[in-house]
Amino acid sequence: ELKVEQNPLFLSMQEGKNYTIYCNYSTTSDRLYWYRQDPGKSLESLFVLLSNGAVKQEGRLMASLDTKARLSTLHITAAVHDLSATYFCAYYGGATNKLIFGTGTLLAVQP
Amino acid sequence: ETGVTQSPTHLIKTRGQQVTLRCSSQSGHNTVSWYQQALGQGPQFIFQYYREEENGRGNFPPRFSGLQFPNYSSELNVNALELDDSALYLCASSSGLAGIYEQYFGPGTRLTVT
Repeated sequence: ELKVEQNPLFLSMQEGKNYTIYCNYSTTSDRLYWYRQDPGKSLESLFVLLSNGAVKQEGRLMASLDTKARLSTLHITAAVHDLSATYFCAYYGGATNKLIFGTGTLLAVQP
Repeated sequence: ETGVTQSPTHLIKTRGQQVTLRCSSQSGHNTVSWYQQALGQGPQFIFQYYREEENGRGNFPPRFSGLQFPNYSSELNVNALELDDSALYLCASSSGLAGIYEQYFGPGTRLTVT
Protein backbone atom coordinates (compact mmCIF):
# COMPACT_ATOMS: atom_id res chain seq x y z
CA GLU A 1 0.00 0.00 0.00
CA LEU A 2 1.27 3.44 -0.90
CA LYS A 3 1.32 5.43 2.28
CA VAL A 4 2.93 8.49 3.82
CA GLU A 5 3.09 9.07 7.55
CA GLN A 6 3.98 12.38 9.06
CA ASN A 7 4.68 13.15 12.66
CA PRO A 8 3.82 14.98 14.64
CA LEU A 9 0.33 15.76 13.36
CA PHE A 10 0.21 18.91 15.45
CA LEU A 11 3.11 20.98 16.66
CA SER A 12 2.85 23.97 18.94
CA MET A 13 6.15 25.71 19.42
CA GLN A 14 7.46 28.98 20.74
CA GLU A 15 9.15 31.54 18.60
CA GLY A 16 12.90 31.06 18.50
CA LYS A 17 12.78 27.30 19.06
CA ASN A 18 13.94 24.52 16.71
CA TYR A 19 11.98 21.46 15.71
CA THR A 20 11.83 18.69 13.11
CA ILE A 21 8.88 17.21 11.21
CA TYR A 22 9.30 13.62 10.04
CA CYS A 23 7.92 12.03 6.89
CA ASN A 24 8.05 8.27 6.33
CA TYR A 25 6.88 6.78 3.06
CA SER A 26 6.11 3.20 2.20
CA THR A 27 7.67 2.39 -1.18
CA THR A 28 10.77 3.27 -3.13
CA SER A 29 10.92 6.77 -4.53
CA ASP A 30 13.74 9.07 -5.55
CA ARG A 31 11.80 12.28 -5.25
CA LEU A 32 10.02 13.83 -2.34
CA TYR A 33 8.08 17.08 -2.13
CA TRP A 34 7.31 19.42 0.73
CA TYR A 35 4.37 21.82 0.54
CA ARG A 36 2.99 24.53 2.77
CA GLN A 37 -0.72 25.25 3.03
CA ASP A 38 -2.25 28.26 4.79
CA PRO A 39 -5.86 27.93 6.02
CA GLY A 40 -8.33 27.83 3.13
CA LYS A 41 -5.55 28.25 0.57
CA SER A 42 -3.85 26.08 -2.01
CA LEU A 43 -0.50 24.30 -1.78
CA GLU A 44 2.74 26.23 -2.02
CA SER A 45 5.76 24.22 -3.13
CA LEU A 46 8.64 24.49 -0.67
CA PHE A 47 11.18 21.86 -1.67
CA VAL A 48 11.74 19.17 -4.28
CA LEU A 49 14.25 16.55 -3.15
CA LEU A 50 15.48 14.47 -6.06
CA SER A 51 18.08 12.05 -4.73
CA ASN A 52 19.33 10.22 -1.69
CA GLY A 53 21.15 12.56 0.64
CA ALA A 54 19.61 15.67 -0.91
CA VAL A 55 19.45 18.65 1.41
CA LYS A 56 17.79 21.95 0.60
CA GLN A 57 17.44 25.10 2.68
CA GLU A 58 15.29 28.17 2.32
CA GLY A 59 15.32 30.68 5.13
CA ARG A 60 14.48 28.96 8.41
CA LEU A 61 13.44 25.70 6.75
CA MET A 62 15.75 22.85 5.75
CA ALA A 63 14.62 19.59 4.14
CA SER A 64 16.54 16.36 3.69
CA LEU A 65 15.94 12.98 2.07
CA ASP A 66 17.16 9.50 2.97
CA THR A 67 15.82 7.14 0.31
CA LYS A 68 17.27 4.05 1.98
CA ALA A 69 15.35 4.75 5.18
CA ARG A 70 12.37 6.12 3.19
CA LEU A 71 12.52 9.17 5.42
CA SER A 72 12.45 12.89 4.83
CA THR A 73 12.75 15.59 7.46
CA LEU A 74 11.76 19.24 7.54
CA HIS A 75 13.78 21.12 10.13
CA ILE A 76 12.63 24.48 11.46
CA THR A 77 15.26 26.77 12.89
CA ALA A 78 14.39 29.66 15.24
CA ALA A 79 10.69 29.55 14.41
CA VAL A 80 8.74 32.74 13.76
CA HIS A 81 4.97 33.24 13.77
CA ASP A 82 4.89 33.56 9.95
CA LEU A 83 5.79 29.88 9.68
CA SER A 84 2.44 28.88 11.18
CA ALA A 85 0.72 26.70 8.55
CA THR A 86 0.11 23.06 7.64
CA TYR A 87 3.06 21.27 6.07
CA PHE A 88 2.66 18.27 3.78
CA CYS A 89 5.18 15.88 2.36
CA ALA A 90 4.31 13.92 -0.78
CA TYR A 91 5.89 11.45 -3.16
CA TYR A 92 5.21 9.43 -6.30
CA GLY A 93 4.98 5.84 -5.13
CA GLY A 94 6.44 3.30 -7.48
CA ALA A 95 5.58 3.63 -11.15
CA THR A 96 2.56 5.81 -10.63
CA ASN A 97 1.80 9.31 -11.67
CA LYS A 98 -0.20 10.19 -8.60
CA LEU A 99 1.25 12.31 -5.86
CA ILE A 100 0.62 10.65 -2.49
CA PHE A 101 0.32 13.05 0.40
CA GLY A 102 0.88 12.66 4.08
CA THR A 103 -1.75 13.69 6.61
CA GLY A 104 -0.01 16.98 7.20
CA THR A 105 1.57 18.63 10.22
CA LEU A 106 -0.23 21.64 11.63
CA LEU A 107 2.41 24.01 12.94
CA ALA A 108 1.43 26.77 15.36
CA VAL A 109 4.21 29.12 16.38
CA GLN A 110 3.36 31.02 19.56
CA PRO A 111 4.90 34.43 20.30
CA GLU B 1 3.44 33.52 -17.59
CA THR B 2 -0.02 32.79 -16.18
CA GLY B 3 -0.28 30.29 -13.35
CA VAL B 4 -2.91 27.63 -12.80
CA THR B 5 -6.39 29.09 -12.39
CA GLN B 6 -9.59 27.44 -11.19
CA SER B 7 -13.24 28.43 -11.23
CA PRO B 8 -15.42 28.94 -9.40
CA THR B 9 -13.74 29.79 -6.11
CA HIS B 10 -16.63 28.61 -3.98
CA LEU B 11 -19.73 26.59 -4.75
CA ILE B 12 -22.69 25.39 -2.74
CA LYS B 13 -24.74 22.49 -4.09
CA THR B 14 -27.48 20.23 -2.83
CA ARG B 15 -27.15 16.49 -2.43
CA GLY B 16 -28.02 14.70 -5.68
CA GLN B 17 -27.08 17.60 -7.92
CA GLN B 18 -24.28 17.67 -10.46
CA VAL B 19 -21.30 20.05 -10.52
CA THR B 20 -18.58 21.05 -13.00
CA LEU B 21 -15.30 22.53 -11.86
CA ARG B 22 -12.85 24.14 -14.25
CA CYS B 23 -9.10 24.42 -14.42
CA SER B 24 -6.82 26.33 -16.78
CA SER B 25 -3.32 24.92 -16.81
CA GLN B 26 -0.17 26.97 -16.70
CA SER B 27 1.10 28.13 -20.07
CA GLY B 28 3.08 25.37 -21.81
CA HIS B 29 1.71 22.59 -19.59
CA ASN B 30 -0.06 19.60 -21.18
CA THR B 31 -0.90 17.57 -18.07
CA VAL B 32 -3.57 18.27 -15.47
CA SER B 33 -4.19 16.32 -12.27
CA TRP B 34 -7.16 16.69 -9.95
CA TYR B 35 -7.10 16.19 -6.18
CA GLN B 36 -9.76 16.21 -3.48
CA GLN B 37 -8.84 17.56 -0.07
CA ALA B 38 -11.34 16.97 2.71
CA LEU B 39 -11.10 19.15 5.79
CA GLY B 40 -8.12 18.24 7.95
CA GLN B 41 -6.70 15.74 5.49
CA GLY B 42 -4.08 15.59 2.79
CA PRO B 43 -5.08 15.84 -0.87
CA GLN B 44 -6.23 12.61 -2.54
CA PHE B 45 -5.55 11.94 -6.23
CA ILE B 46 -8.69 11.74 -8.38
CA PHE B 47 -7.28 11.42 -11.90
CA GLN B 48 -4.80 12.84 -14.37
CA TYR B 49 -5.18 13.95 -17.97
CA TYR B 50 -2.28 13.96 -20.37
CA ARG B 51 -2.78 15.33 -23.88
CA GLU B 52 -6.56 14.95 -23.61
CA GLU B 53 -6.50 11.32 -22.42
CA GLU B 54 -7.08 10.04 -18.89
CA ASN B 55 -3.76 8.74 -17.62
CA GLY B 56 -4.30 7.28 -14.17
CA ARG B 57 -7.14 7.31 -11.71
CA GLY B 58 -7.38 7.13 -7.94
CA ASN B 59 -9.99 5.36 -5.80
CA PHE B 60 -12.95 7.48 -6.78
CA PRO B 61 -16.29 6.21 -8.12
CA PRO B 62 -17.30 6.67 -11.78
CA ARG B 63 -19.55 9.60 -10.88
CA PHE B 64 -16.29 11.55 -10.78
CA SER B 65 -15.37 12.17 -14.42
CA GLY B 66 -13.24 14.60 -16.33
CA LEU B 67 -12.23 16.09 -19.62
CA GLN B 68 -9.22 17.78 -21.03
CA PHE B 69 -9.56 20.14 -23.97
CA PRO B 70 -7.16 20.81 -26.87
CA ASN B 71 -5.86 23.91 -25.07
CA TYR B 72 -5.12 21.58 -22.10
CA SER B 73 -7.65 23.17 -19.78
CA SER B 74 -9.71 20.64 -17.88
CA GLU B 75 -13.05 20.00 -16.22
CA LEU B 76 -13.97 17.83 -13.27
CA ASN B 77 -17.57 16.67 -13.21
CA VAL B 78 -19.24 15.10 -10.21
CA ASN B 79 -22.70 13.58 -10.53
CA ALA B 80 -25.16 12.65 -7.81
CA LEU B 81 -23.40 14.75 -5.19
CA GLU B 82 -23.08 13.33 -1.70
CA LEU B 83 -22.39 15.16 1.55
CA ASP B 84 -18.92 13.58 1.69
CA ASP B 85 -18.03 15.30 -1.58
CA SER B 86 -17.71 18.55 0.36
CA ALA B 87 -14.02 19.40 0.02
CA LEU B 88 -11.41 21.64 -1.55
CA TYR B 89 -10.78 20.50 -5.12
CA LEU B 90 -7.31 21.25 -6.40
CA CYS B 91 -6.00 20.97 -9.90
CA ALA B 92 -2.33 20.89 -10.73
CA SER B 93 -0.60 21.20 -14.08
CA SER B 94 2.78 20.04 -15.26
CA SER B 95 4.78 20.20 -18.47
CA GLY B 96 4.70 16.43 -18.83
CA LEU B 97 3.65 13.32 -17.01
CA ALA B 98 3.34 14.23 -13.36
CA GLY B 99 5.61 11.45 -12.15
CA ILE B 100 8.51 13.12 -13.89
CA TYR B 101 7.71 16.81 -13.95
CA GLU B 102 6.81 19.00 -10.99
CA GLN B 103 3.18 19.91 -10.58
CA TYR B 104 1.96 23.43 -9.91
CA PHE B 105 -1.26 23.77 -7.95
CA GLY B 106 -4.14 26.12 -8.57
CA PRO B 107 -5.97 28.05 -5.83
CA GLY B 108 -8.69 25.42 -5.52
CA THR B 109 -12.48 25.32 -5.57
CA ARG B 110 -14.27 24.95 -2.25
CA LEU B 111 -17.36 22.77 -2.77
CA THR B 112 -19.99 22.51 -0.07
CA VAL B 113 -22.76 19.94 -0.44
CA THR B 114 -25.82 20.44 1.77
